Amino acid sequence: QQQVKQSPQSLIVQKGGISIINCAYENTAFDYFPWYQQFPGKGPALLIAIRPDVSEKKEGRFTISFNKSAKQFSLHIMDSQPGDSATYFCAAPQDDKIIFGKGTRLHILP
Amino acid sequence: DGGITQSPKYLFRKEGQNVTLSCEQNLNHDAMYWYRQDPGQGLRLIYYSQIVNDFQKGDIAEGYSVSREKKESFPLTVTSAQKNPTAFYLCATHPLTENQPQHFGDGTRLSIL
Repeated sequence: QQQVKQSPQSLIVQKGGISIINCAYENTAFDYFPWYQQFPGKGPALLIAIRPDVSEKKEGRFTISFNKSAKQFSLHIMDSQPGDSATYFCAAPQDDKIIFGKGTRLHILP
Repeated sequence: DGGITQSPKYLFRKEGQNVTLSCEQNLNHDAMYWYRQDPGQGLRLIYYSQIVNDFQKGDIAEGYSVSREKKESFPLTVTSAQKNPTAFYLCATHPLTENQPQHFGDGTRLSIL
């Protein structure tokens, strides 16, 4: 099974700082890379997604960067806020399933 | 996600007991999925279904069973054969069109009494 490797496992950032979460994948057949945000006791919700024919996508304070040659994509959260404290998952489709990274627990210090 | 309803929110299981988790959707999505979430383990796929009356095993199907009698419903039974059932269970749907995300319910937390 193809894997999606996510790092770091946990991350602490000062309010106003930049949070960076990285993912690496093995299969170049992937064509859609979503990021999910999950708050405690809730299901994951789509945060932002990118296709591999685009190198970067920005939505507000959230940016996905995609490096096809390195098979890596990353999530940047600019001006991180305490409300961004959550668990973040990267994912990639494989056939009729979606493969998830193991998640990054982000904590923003007030 | 308002379109996916999981119930109950909390569930307790006694030794040797089977319990069933409900997942209902009104998104008209073809595919439905069950995941198990443990701390530090991410989301692990238990079962999934792309069409009524058909389903496939995921990575950790042992000790679980499902049915898909209606497009809107995909219940998960945690059987007594599942020796470590304590976890957060998530149901998801997908429209089976390209470049679309999965949608998740708000989960059921199952614990052993």
